[in-house]
Amino acid sequence: EDKVVQSPLSLVVHEGDTVTLNCSYEVTNFRSLLWYKQEKKAPTFLFMLTSSGIEKKSGRLSSILDKKELSSILNITATQTGDSAIYLCAVGGETGANSKLTFGKGITLSVRP
Amino acid sequence: NAGVTQTPKFRILKIGQSMTLQCTQDMNHNYMYWYRQDPGMGLKLIYYSVGAGITDKGEVPNGYNVSRSTTEDFPLRLELAAPSQTSVYFCASGRAGQISYEQYFGPGTRLTVT
Repeated sequence: EDKVVQSPLSLVVHEGDTVTLNCSYEVTNFRSLLWYKQEKKAPTFLFMLTSSGIEKKSGRLSSILDKKELSSILNITATQTGDSAIYLCAVGGETGANSKLTFGKGITLSVRP
Repeated sequence: NAGVTQTPKFRILKIGQSMTLQCTQDMNHNYMYWYRQDPGMGLKLIYYSVGAGITDKGEVPNGYNVSRSTTEDFPLRLELAAPSQTSVYFCASGRAGQISYEQYFGPGTRLTVT
C-alpha cells in the first residue's frame, strides 16, 4: 500500500521566518511528487517534482526531491501571514494505466504577525 | 473558463437519506476523481475514472457509487447516508497519458449527516 508521511503535522512561526516542510513516501513505481496549498477551500497546485536534485522555485517557495531518501522538502522563506494554510504532499504511483495520487495528512502552517 | 465545479456547496442529510453530489469540468480532462477530507486526515480517494464509461474504486469506496456517462460529468452518489460520511468532498480532474499528475480541484461540498 502506498504511503505518504508529512512532518511536522503543524507549526507556528512568525512573519519573516523560514520554514521547511517534510514529506517522505513509500510508493510502488514512483512517478511524481506534488505539493499543494490548501487555504479555506480547494487545494491549489504548487509544484510537481519528478527528478531528484532539481529545485523548483516560485517566489519565496522552493521544493526539491531526493529519490534516494524517498523524500521531499518544501521551503518557504520570509514567511507572510498569507502563507498560513495546510500544505499537502501527494505522490503519484503507477497502477496499470491509471494515474492516482496518494496524499499525506497535511502540515498546518500558521504564520503570526 | 470555470474549471471544476461542484454542487451543492453545503448539505445536511438525515441518516438513511440519499443524495448525489455533482461534479463538472470543462477542461476536457480524461481523468476525474472524488476525494473526501476529514480533519487532520489529508485526502482519501473514493472513486476515480479514466474516461467516460470507466470507473474504479479508490481507497474508501464503501457507501458510495459513481458513474461517468460523459467526459465532463462525474457524479457521486450516497445511497444510505451514515454519520461516518460527514466530511468535505472534493472532485478533481486531470489529463491522461502524461507523467503529469497535476489535478485541478473543485471548491468542495461540505456534507453533514445527522
